[in-house]
Amino acid sequence: QQQVKQSPQSLIVQKGGIPIINCAYENTAFDYFPWYQQFPGKGPALLIAIRPDVSEKKEGRFTISFNKSAKQFSLHIMDSQPGDSATYFCAASMRTGANNLFFGTGTRLTVIP
Amino acid sequence: EPEVTQTPSHQVTQMGQEVILRCVPISNHLYFYWYRQILGQKVEFLVSFYNNEISEKSEIFDDQFSVERPDGSNFTLKIRSTKLEDSAMYFCASRGPGLGEQFFGPGTRLTVL
Repeated sequence: QQQVKQSPQSLIVQKGGIPIINCAYENTAFDYFPWYQQFPGKGPALLIAIRPDVSEKKEGRFTISFNKSAKQFSLHIMDSQPGDSATYFCAASMRTGANNLFFGTGTRLTVIP
Repeated sequence: EPEVTQTPSHQVTQMGQEVILRCVPISNHLYFYWYRQILGQKVEFLVSFYNNEISEKSEIFDDQFSVERPDGSNFTLKIRSTKLEDSAMYFCASRGPGLGEQFFGPGTRLTVL
């Protein structure tokens, strides 16, 4: 029940395209949903995060859409650039306890110039 | 900008040997975490640490693993008798008070031969 399912496993888009990465969770106690970006050889870095009291959050070119009833959330990257090529992980955690993160399996995004 | 640091960046060891991975969390943070990422797989939670004791641990964190905050700045992960399957990237993370972001270090790549 702590699983977070993520798809697709990999994604290739042209520069300017809008890649969409989807995640689904089972545990309704999750109440914090961050997206992390990871470049090769580096640690994950927080990109954007959402709490379940809102259905959408936008920061720059990155938007999270959240569907509480479906227990799904997604990341959209507007006007994607080659520099966005990285692995993206969704995650979830609970306010109670130590807030440890449960990660999805990751999506390797390649943006072609 | 404050950051989480980890040493060494790469550790090679023989099966059965003890290793200690070191982390310096961000100075005013109170919560500390270890995660691991086997090559090509998702990031997995190992353990969280708060107020000088373990808050939560995963099934992966068995008796071979231990954590310690020996002084006011370092946070260590010890693996007593390494196995081949312990080969992975180990990430330290820290979080300030409240429900803030977890900041990840650059990781230590552990290779067990």
